[in-house]
Amino acid sequence: DAGVTQSPTHLIKTRGQQVTLRCSPKSGHDTVSWYQQALGQGPQFIFQYYEEEERQRGNFPDRFSGHQFPNYSSELNVNALLLGDSALYLCASSLLGISGNTIYFGEGSWLTVV
Amino acid sequence: GDSVTQMEGPVTLSEEAFLTINCTYTATGYPSLFWYVQYPGEGLQLLLKATKADDKGSNKGFEATYRKETTSFHLEKGSVQVSDSAVYFCALSDLDGQNFVFGPGTRLSVLP
Repeated sequence: DAGVTQSPTHLIKTRGQQVTLRCSPKSGHDTVSWYQQALGQGPQFIFQYYEEEERQRGNFPDRFSGHQFPNYSSELNVNALLLGDSALYLCASSLLGISGNTIYFGEGSWLTVV
Repeated sequence: GDSVTQMEGPVTLSEEAFLTINCTYTATGYPSLFWYVQYPGEGLQLLLKATKADDKGSNKGFEATYRKETTSFHLEKGSVQVSDSAVYFCALSDLDGQNFVFGPGTRLSVLP
């Protein structure tokens, strides 16, 4: 049973460019969340997708957008990249509506903005 | 809003030493509490969890008890190993089980 898979693993972008990160959830999971983890910090919640719609959103600007596909996979898009967007981007999958739900994380996509 | 506070690291211990990493939280309602571990170059892995007051989560020799009266969820291990070297994150989730709030992490280094 494959866990949460993310791509690409590492990438380097130039300030002002746009980036798309991809995530496939754990088999059987219907909800995908994205987190940003800056170096030396804990993950910060970006947003969550369920049934192809954004269900919850953290305190991130509109430059951060996402999408969920019918097969539950998801993309995170970041426009007009800033140096401060350099971070590890983690995707997590889960089942909606289960108290004490365990979320499973992928290994992340390292984004460096230069 | 909800928040999680952890003791600052890094924490450096000798092998077989006793480990405590303090975690306290602020939340409305009754969240579920978690400890996640991140090994170098890897994503987050669930270490243990507790879903209600006085529950004890345990895994791989690690334990943590959900203390509602002190809003705490301290992580303990009786005898650490070099392989336990990692960053440990305390986290909470709301009743819906979807919105996770993480602490800043505590880096543990265990020396042989």
